[in-house]
Amino acid sequence: ETGVTQTPRHLVMGMTNKKSLKCEQHLGHNAMYWYKQSAKKPLELMFVYNFKEQTENNSVPSRFSPECPNSSHLFLHLHTLQPEDSALYLCASSLPPGIAGNTIYFGEGSWLTVV
Amino acid sequence: AQKITQTQPGMFVQEKEAVTLDCTYDTSDPSYGLFWYKQPSSGEMIFLIYQGSYDQQNATEGRYSLNFQKARKSANLVISASQLGDSAMYFCAMSGVYTGNQFYFGTGTSLTVIP
Repeated sequence: ETGVTQTPRHLVMGMTNKKSLKCEQHLGHNAMYWYKQSAKKPLELMFVYNFKEQTENNSVPSRFSPECPNSSHLFLHLHTLQPEDSALYLCASSLPPGIAGNTIYFGEGSWLTVV
Repeated sequence: AQKITQTQPGMFVQEKEAVTLDCTYDTSDPSYGLFWYKQPSSGEMIFLIYQGSYDQQNATEGRYSLNFQKARKSANLVISASQLGDSAMYFCAMSGVYTGNQFYFGTGTSLTVIP
């Protein structure tokens, strides 16, 4: 059983649809992340939340809208996406920054296809 | 600035042999951690091993060991007695105490274990 759970694992959506990705962590962490992984590209950090507050937004287009209602849950709301947004979206969690040995743990990922 | 470099896009190893995956890094942070992750084709990023910059001994976890050479800024992963299930992408990552939630990832190395 993974400590970070993502749903759905696979999602196909049209460019005019609105959908959401969900992430839940059971590790007692306070920081949560969204990463995007496209084919043959490095991992791209999208958003970081610390204690429910957004601390990083790496110039992500507004068609991606994150939501962090509490330290255990993170959502990524998707609307009017483009085909180039098709990728693996990885959620992760960790302890707050500044702690020695702080390790980031990932979920299984959500494979998104935009048609 | 923080940077992780993995220069081997693809590696092959015979089953039961050992293999070394290279990772070099650059940081100005006086205290940092180095990590290795495994990503099978299913997509999940699996944490393998951690090395703290002030740790005197190289980290080991089962068949995984991290060859840490601080002066050369390298953190190579050694997998002993390779198994078919080790075939995957492997990512090196780094995080500094003073760089907050930023985990920096390399571009990955694809490892194929040959029967």
